Amino acid sequence: EAGVVQSPRYKIIEKKQPVAFWCNPISGHNTLYWYRQNLGQGPELLIRYENEEAVDDSQLPKDRFSAERLKGVDSTLKIQPAELGDSAVYLCASSLAGGTNEQFFGPGTRLTVL
Amino acid sequence: QKEVEQNSGPLSVPEGAIASLNCTYSDRVSQSFFWYRQYSGKSPELIMSIYSNGDKEDGRFTAQLNKASQYVSLLIRDSQPSDSATYLCAVRGSNYKLTFGKGTLLTVNP
Repeated sequence: EAGVVQSPRYKIIEKKQPVAFWCNPISGHNTLYWYRQNLGQGPELLIRYENEEAVDDSQLPKDRFSAERLKGVDSTLKIQPAELGDSAVYLCASSLAGGTNEQFFGPGTRLTVL
Repeated sequence: QKEVEQNSGPLSVPEGAIASLNCTYSDRVSQSFFWYRQYSGKSPELIMSIYSNGDKEDGRFTAQLNKASQYVSLLIRDSQPSDSATYLCAVRGSNYKLTFGKGTLLTVNP
């Protein structure tokens, strides 16, 4: 069974530029999560989707971050404009429906903002 | 603010020894508990989940949960150098949100 797929794996941009991350969850997993992990910290939830619906986006900085999951499968997380403090690893995870199940992470995207 | 606390380490054990990793949490209504292993430069990998008080064993790994004490631990028996990694404790609260600790760095010395 294929795992969670993310792209790109690495991204280097200058501040104020836009950036987007893409995620394809494990087949059959209706719940999708975006996390941010800073160096030396555990992952922190940004947004959780149940199918197409964002059911928890309370930690998403909505002034510059946006996300979508239009057909309930793939998802895109966007930052515009990026700031120096956005440098981190952005992780996508998926689980079976309901948010109560085990979560499996993709390889992540390492973002560096210069 | 619901918190998950772990000793940051590093925890250093000799090969073949038992490594003991500990975690405490603040949300009393938490129901689900997970241990993830994260190698340097890699993403977290789920290794254990536990939902009820007591012990759960899977190969060389044993997770222990004590809800009354709000404490969860992971024991790794016969530690191998390949077990060297950061171990993340994660707790799911009543709002289904998974909160992670900062992780404990484990080093197994040959």
